[in-house]
Amino acid sequence: AQSVAQPEDQVNVAEGNPLTVKCTYSVSGNPYLFWYVQYPNRGLQFLLKYITGDNLVKGSYGFEAEFNKSQTSFHLKKPSALVSDSALYFCAVAGTYKYIFGTGTRLKVLA
Amino acid sequence: DTAVSQTPKYLVTQMGNDKSIKCEQNLGHDTMYWYKQDSKKFLKIMFSYNNKELIINETVPNRFSPKSPDKAHLNLHINSLELGDSAVYFCASSFGQNSYEQYFGPGTRLTVT
Repeated sequence: AQSVAQPEDQVNVAEGNPLTVKCTYSVSGNPYLFWYVQYPNRGLQFLLKYITGDNLVKGSYGFEAEFNKSQTSFHLKKPSALVSDSALYFCAVAGTYKYIFGTGTRLKVLA
Repeated sequence: DTAVSQTPKYLVTQMGNDKSIKCEQNLGHDTMYWYKQDSKKFLKIMFSYNNKELIINETVPNRFSPKSPDKAHLNLHINSLELGDSAVYFCASSFGQNSYEQYFGPGTRLTVT
């Protein structure tokens, strides 16, 4: 069965520092992996995805993610965090006509 | 123009009532979904429809009945509401192949008292 895990419930980082939000996956075959962000009282917004190709994927708002097949990870990164990045982040893996989401990581960027 | 819209945004009702949530997308997608997000923010797939056909039903109680009159609409009707149905319900859409990202509606916060 396909699954994703987000081992951290919350990540705190100072504004201007690099941030990493972790995600590991378990799939048979090639994974299709996604990151979404959810701001309070809003729906999820797509940030980026890995389908194939370069292991470093660039997405919206300066975010990027690194696909690591040997470690089955797809960590979300940003070189310099902003207070406005504070939100709930979800990793997801695509199945057939459905997406399996991780439990979410709350990112708090401190001014 | 809103890509994926849901109505209503808030729904407060009593146990035992029946209610509906509507969803519309104007993105030309062929696949639509309903998700439930609980109070701990866990997001779980409930249903997916492709070209108006039910594809996925993730062991959802049969009190929940989705209906897709056309590819742009997916409604959710809930009978005999229970306290445990209180959650935020999100509609989403995408192209059917799983390499495509989903677009989410703003959510419907359902509170059952």
